[in-house]
Amino acid sequence: SQTIHQWPATLVQPVGSPLSLECTVEGTSNPNLYWYRQAAGRGLQLLFYSVGIGQISSEVPQNLSASRPQDRQFILSSKKLLLSDSGFYLCAWRTFDSPLHFGNGTRLTVT
Amino acid sequence: AQTVTQSQPEMSVQEAETVTLSCTYDTSESNYYLFWYKQPPSRQMILVIRQEAYKQQNATENRFSVNFQKAAKSFSLKISDSQLGDTAMYFCASALYNQGGKLIFGQGTELSVKP
Repeated sequence: SQTIHQWPATLVQPVGSPLSLECTVEGTSNPNLYWYRQAAGRGLQLLFYSVGIGQISSEVPQNLSASRPQDRQFILSSKKLLLSDSGFYLCAWRTFDSPLHFGNGTRLTVT
Repeated sequence: AQTVTQSQPEMSVQEAETVTLSCTYDTSESNYYLFWYKQPPSRQMILVIRQEAYKQQNATENRFSVNFQKAAKSFSLKISDSQLGDTAMYFCASALYNQGGKLIFGQGTELSVKP
């Protein structure tokens, strides 16, 4: 069966520090991968998605970047965090005819 | 561009009663999927139900059903026999067949089931 792992679960980082959130998927090949952010318990904002290794589409210009170094690995990064980067980050995957499967999320607090 | 609108930020229902959550969407495409997701306080995103736009029959999953009105671009969720465990944030979402299959979410409806 397919599983998705996302870590860490919580993270507190100072302003100006770097960020790396990692997500891996098991049990499927060539999935589409996604990073979403949820602020204040409201709607999910799509940040990046990837349809293959090295292919990244950015939905919202911002202080973040994403990379997909392997088929089932998706990384969200920042060189210098801002206060506004605080939020709940969700990694997800799907194939063509499947629903979106989410990781458990990372709660990021920038202080 | 895809947009999804949920006009009810909060709703409440008595246990065992029925509640309907509203959702409208906008797309110029003819092939797409629609979804309802549930997010309990644990913040885990859980799929409730999905609908393929080419199917006229409304999807049903146990106590959950949808009213899909394609011409009106409406996709409401009906929860029958509401249970305390249904208390959660509910998100409506749409996804095109192309554009990487990305899901666009509405702002959510916070549902409280009262005993």
